[in-house]
Amino acid sequence: NAGVTQTPKFQVLKTGQSMTLQCAQDMNHEYMSWYRQDPGMGLRLIHYSVGAGITDQGEVPNGYNVSRSTTEDFPLRLLSAAPSQTSVYFCASSADRIATGELFFGEGSRLTVL
Amino acid sequence: SQKIEQNSEALNIQEGKTATLTCNYTNYSPAYLQWYRQDPGRGPVFLLLIRENEKEKRKERLKVTFDTTLKQSLFHITASQPADSATYLCARTGTASKLTFGTGTRLQVTL
Repeated sequence: NAGVTQTPKFQVLKTGQSMTLQCAQDMNHEYMSWYRQDPGMGLRLIHYSVGAGITDQGEVPNGYNVSRSTTEDFPLRLLSAAPSQTSVYFCASSADRIATGELFFGEGSRLTVL
Repeated sequence: SQKIEQNSEALNIQEGKTATLTCNYTNYSPAYLQWYRQDPGRGPVFLLLIRENEKEKRKERLKVTFDTTLKQSLFHITASQPADSATYLCARTGTASKLTFGTGTRLQVTL
């Protein structure tokens, strides 16, 4: 099993550009989520999904868009990148829809917005 | 809002000693607390989960306690080794499907 796979691992954008961070899991997990991690701030929840066709906002959703058309994939879209979105992004999944169980994380996508 | 706090200062201990990391939370007690390990440049890896009706949970050299009176969880690594050096994250369940993480405590185990 590959687990949770994120692409790309590194990306540099200019302010105003858009891009999509990809996340795929092969564990048939219902729950998927996106976090960003910044120094001194910890992991902050951006968006999450409890199943295909269902998404909801987390703590810091502004500037990001998600969709969940399949169980396996949960892409994160940056609509118009800003320097404040420079961060490390982690995708995570769980077999438990209410996230009371173990979260499986990807290796992260490091984004720099100039 | 529900907050979770970990000591942001690094913890330095000698090999063989027991490392103890603290996680404090505010407002109501979470039903679950989770602990993760994160190595530099990697994603967090799940270690242990403890429920509010459990006082203690063990896994090999790891032990987690949950004190709802103090609103605190302690994470212990016994007989620590240099390979245990990493950042350890505490997380609480809040409203359904939202897991809130602390900022993590970096542990450095020296020979």
